[in-house]
Amino acid sequence: LAKTTQPISMDSYEGQEVNITCSHNNIATNDYITWYQQFPSQGPRFIIQGYKTKVTNEVASLFIPADRKSSTLSLPRVSLSDTAVYYCLVGDGGLTGGGNKLTFGTGTQLKVEL
Amino acid sequence: NAGVTQTPKFRVLKTGQSMTLLCAQDMNHEYMYWYRQDPGMGLRLIHYSVGEGTTAKGEVPDGYNVSRLKKQNFLLGLESAAPSQTSVYFCASRTGNSPLHFGNGTRLTVT
Repeated sequence: LAKTTQPISMDSYEGQEVNITCSHNNIATNDYITWYQQFPSQGPRFIIQGYKTKVTNEVASLFIPADRKSSTLSLPRVSLSDTAVYYCLVGDGGLTGGGNKLTFGTGTQLKVEL
Repeated sequence: NAGVTQTPKFRVLKTGQSMTLLCAQDMNHEYMYWYRQDPGMGLRLIHYSVGEGTTAKGEVPDGYNVSRLKKQNFLLGLESAAPSQTSVYFCASRTGNSPLHFGNGTRLTVT
């Protein structure tokens, strides 16, 4: 099982770019890296997923180095509404039994201020 | 397309009572998961299922039982509720390497 480590909290201001890094030193060959956002009293929701290099969608970018032992979620020009907890999760597509035991780390509490 | 639906949304139990939480998904997903989240904490995996008729233990399975008799439903049971099981319970599902789809949670208080 790939254990993840993230900073407990980060602070930023509106309009800035925020980068949150997640360490996953024992990531397996089949593992994908997925980031989720959670607001209070809601279930986590998907932000972005990647396997290697860089992935970009309409809300974020995900940078994964060649060794895949870490990943960085990049949120461009954050706003107050981006204040939330962000989790990275590693796991595979079900090719191995262990990859389905998807466990979350502590997450990163992002606080965006004016 | 409702996604993942959890019932009930709220429940208060007395110590020793039993109850079942229902999770239903209409996306034909193979994998389903139950997590609990205590105040200010992250999600902890209770049990999961990789297909109809199969279940497996997660990080914190003690005090809970699960069943997956139908592909679309994943039930979480508390046989004898304890105050330590006061939490918000989230169900999630996925297929292949797709992201997890979460329900809106069940807020359980055990007095």
